[in-house]
Amino acid sequence: GENVEQHPSTLSVQEGDSAVIKCTYSDSASNYFPWYKQELGKRPQLIIDIRSNVGEKKDQRIAVTLNKTAKHFSLHITETQPEDSAVYFCAAPNQAGTALIFGKGTTLSVSS
Amino acid sequence: DARVTQTPRHKVTEMGQEVTMRCQPILGHNTVFWYRQTMMQGLELLAYFRNRAPLDDSGMPKDRFSAEMPDATLATLKIQPSEPRDSAVYFCASGTVPGRGTEAFFGQGTRLTVV
Repeated sequence: GENVEQHPSTLSVQEGDSAVIKCTYSDSASNYFPWYKQELGKRPQLIIDIRSNVGEKKDQRIAVTLNKTAKHFSLHITETQPEDSAVYFCAAPNQAGTALIFGKGTTLSVSS
Repeated sequence: DARVTQTPRHKVTEMGQEVTMRCQPILGHNTVFWYRQTMMQGLELLAYFRNRAPLDDSGMPKDRFSAEMPDATLATLKIQPSEPRDSAVYFCASGTVPGRGTEAFFGQGTRLTVV
């Protein structure tokens, strides 16, 4: 938590391709890593999260992987569809574990 | 379907005016956050409350911003005086200790434009 870096800031893919977004965090004690999706003009909404006791979690076409040693986690979207176009935010807890600190977001564009 | 409710949805005001944004958290959530979203900075944490008590407001410009939670159903964020650089979308979110592994639920945001 505290410092969350997210890359890339923009990502354009063709429909059907995979998309990967990566985040790094600074606090080694962080133990919870959610991903939020924000469609244009809407609120951010949780799409998947992972806790530090697992290395990977899948939910249909989306998956999140966690590497605690390297302090980074990634969002993977397979078989992308135009409706996946949105801004995606990663987050990690602050040092006190009382709030979520967000990355600056990745704008994903899926073209058909 | 429980939701965080924010008012107003949009606000256009002149520089120097006071702006008040309101948030009704989801009933039963004990933590309320205020985030500011801009293109350059993404989602910045401004302030948050636990059981109505302020926990941290270090992300907020203290000279012009203030956040309060007068009761469990209402959180407010005030800017006085407002400046053009305050133009952004302000989100309220609530949850039960989101930093420990529970979801933060966002409101629809208040889009503020200061001219």
